[in-house]
Amino acid sequence: SQKIEQNSEALNIQEGKTATLTCNYTNYSPAYLQWYRQDPGRGPVFLLLIRENEKEKRKERLKVTFDTTLKQSLFHITASQPADSATYLCAPSKNAGNMLTFGGGTRLMVKP
Amino acid sequence: NAGVTQTPKFQVLKTGQSMTLQCAQDMNHEYMSWYRQDPGMGLRLIHYSVGAGITDQGEVPNGYNVSRSTTEDFPLRLLSAAPSQTSVYFCASSYLQGASGELFFGEGSRLTVL
Repeated sequence: SQKIEQNSEALNIQEGKTATLTCNYTNYSPAYLQWYRQDPGRGPVFLLLIRENEKEKRKERLKVTFDTTLKQSLFHITASQPADSATYLCAPSKNAGNMLTFGGGTRLMVKP
Repeated sequence: NAGVTQTPKFQVLKTGQSMTLQCAQDMNHEYMSWYRQDPGMGLRLIHYSVGAGITDQGEVPNGYNVSRSTTEDFPLRLLSAAPSQTSVYFCASSYLQGASGELFFGEGSRLTVL
């Protein structure tokens, strides 16, 4: 069965540094990969979608890569801020936006 | 804009009781879905619907029923609540052919079954 792995341990970084989160998947060949942000007590919020034919996608301070050979996506936040502290979820999928399967999420803590 | 609205936000049930979690969206999305989120398990898909009158099972459908009589509403019914159904439930919706693929989530319903 398909498996999605995100580092379950919290990632602690200093403000201003680049945060890099990893999403690995197995037994799966997704056409899309999405990243969401979830704050405590709130629902997830969509950040970025990358397609299998795109190697990299950027949005402001966010950058996502998608390596279908390694079966891995990397999510980068440059010049991180304490407000970036949250849990980040990845979701590889065959169909954009439908029947998404999510990883367990990685909690990011940015310290001032 | 209201987006995706879930009610109630909190609920405590006794084992064996039934209840319905309500979900409504005002974005005319064809696709609606229910997830449960448990510590260490991530979000797991319970049921989903691609349009009024069409529903299907997700990864963990047992113990739950859904119906989709309108585009806007997608209620989740717990037929006989069990402690294993203690969780946070999220409703989410999207366009079926949306370019961004964005899934819009509600704020969640926290259910405790005693």
